[in-house]
Amino acid sequence: GEEVAQTPKHLVRGEGQKAKLYCAPIKGHSYVFWYQQVLKNEFKFLISFQNENVFDETGMPKERFSAKCLPNSPCSLEIQATKLEDSAVYFCASSLTGGDQPQHFGDGTRLSIL
Amino acid sequence: ELKVEQNPLFLSMQEGKNYTIYCNYSTTSDRLYWYRQDPGKSLESLFVLLSNGAVKQEGRLMASLDTKARLSTLHITAAVHDLSATYFCAVPSNSGYALNFGKGTSLLVTP
Repeated sequence: GEEVAQTPKHLVRGEGQKAKLYCAPIKGHSYVFWYQQVLKNEFKFLISFQNENVFDETGMPKERFSAKCLPNSPCSLEIQATKLEDSAVYFCASSLTGGDQPQHFGDGTRLSIL
Repeated sequence: ELKVEQNPLFLSMQEGKNYTIYCNYSTTSDRLYWYRQDPGKSLESLFVLLSNGAVKQEGRLMASLDTKARLSTLHITAAVHDLSATYFCAVPSNSGYALNFGKGTSLLVTP
């Protein structure tokens, strides 16, 4: 498609439960990025993929967070044993190439941990 | 660690006025991106600046990049209400293409 599609739009989980978010990048884009937006204006990079391979995972909290981009499937970001501090909007972005093209963002998934 | 600082963080301006938003970053980069975010919405790409001295204009917005000073500016000319939004600058990390965002400038244009 021509847009980055993220599902669900809103996800509510109790503390300790698992949360799984999905992202379909723009068709033909090789790179996928996940960002966490907390406190309305602070973005934190989590992980990026080049096709199905992890490209950069320097921002990923490895204990509870994992992500995949498998062929012919939406990319996913999974959080095990969620904590209150995981409440945020999670944005997925894709780009045609890595550096010279803008990253196109999806509408985000608002994760609320109760 | 790459740091990106924007100022001002909040800006209230009257319609028809001009103003500039500044974006400073701490390490060498020859690329910088500007995005717009409306409340509760996604990020919309405004400008991609790819070299020192790059200048791009779209409507009432003009962005420039000075890589030697590690500074980008977003200039607003004759502001209109539709420009009210939060504007982010972002610089890619040296280890890959991950974007490091400033904290955003919340712009409110009033009559």
